[in-house]
Amino acid sequence: DAGVIQSPRHEVTEMGQEVTLRCKPISGHNSLFWYRQTMMRGLELLIYFNNNVPIDDSGMPEDRFSAKMPNASFSTLKIQPSEPRDSAVYFCASSSGQGRMNTEAFFGQGTRLTVV
Amino acid sequence: QQQVKQSPQSLIVQKGGISIINCAYENTAFDYFPWYQQFPGKGPALLIAIRPDVSEKKEGRFTISFNKSAKQFSLHIMDSQPGDSATYFCAATPSLVPHGSGNTGKLIFGQGTTLQVKP
Repeated sequence: DAGVIQSPRHEVTEMGQEVTLRCKPISGHNSLFWYRQTMMRGLELLIYFNNNVPIDDSGMPEDRFSAKMPNASFSTLKIQPSEPRDSAVYFCASSSGQGRMNTEAFFGQGTRLTVV
Repeated sequence: QQQVKQSPQSLIVQKGGISIINCAYENTAFDYFPWYQQFPGKGPALLIAIRPDVSEKKEGRFTISFNKSAKQFSLHIMDSQPGDSATYFCAATPSLVPHGSGNTGKLIFGQGTTLQVKP
């Protein structure tokens, strides 16, 4: 298995531009998570899906952020408009699901976003 | 509000020594406590995990000690090696309701500990 695949690996964009981060979870996993990592705030959960349905988006910082999961093999995290404080590493992770007792989350390599 | 508190922020250990990282949590609804290891430029990867009905779990050189009454758990790395140099995150996963029906799968992370093992 190729693991969780994220694209792009690096993204540099100007303030005000729209940014779309992409994620392909591990086949057969039915939970998908978006995390953001910064030096100041560490690893924080933004949103997670179970069976393609958003379950908890309480970590999404504001309306500029949106996430979709149109099918079991693809998810996007969009920031519009982007701001310099959005600069971070964004990780996507997947697991075999909510409801199980021990659910290991597998992380992608991350997307390093820089907003200038 | 930081639901999982981790210390120390950084740690330097000599090769062969013991590395100890501590975490404390507040929410009694957590029911799964994994530790993740992260190397530079990589995503976190599961190292070892424990459930609250067990006080200790050992896998090779890595041991989790868990104190449910104190709401604390720790990672011990025995015979630390330079290859263990990485950032370590403790985490906790909220359970589903009713309890015993599994957990949500989402991870609440501690702030992380950067470990450096000197040769």
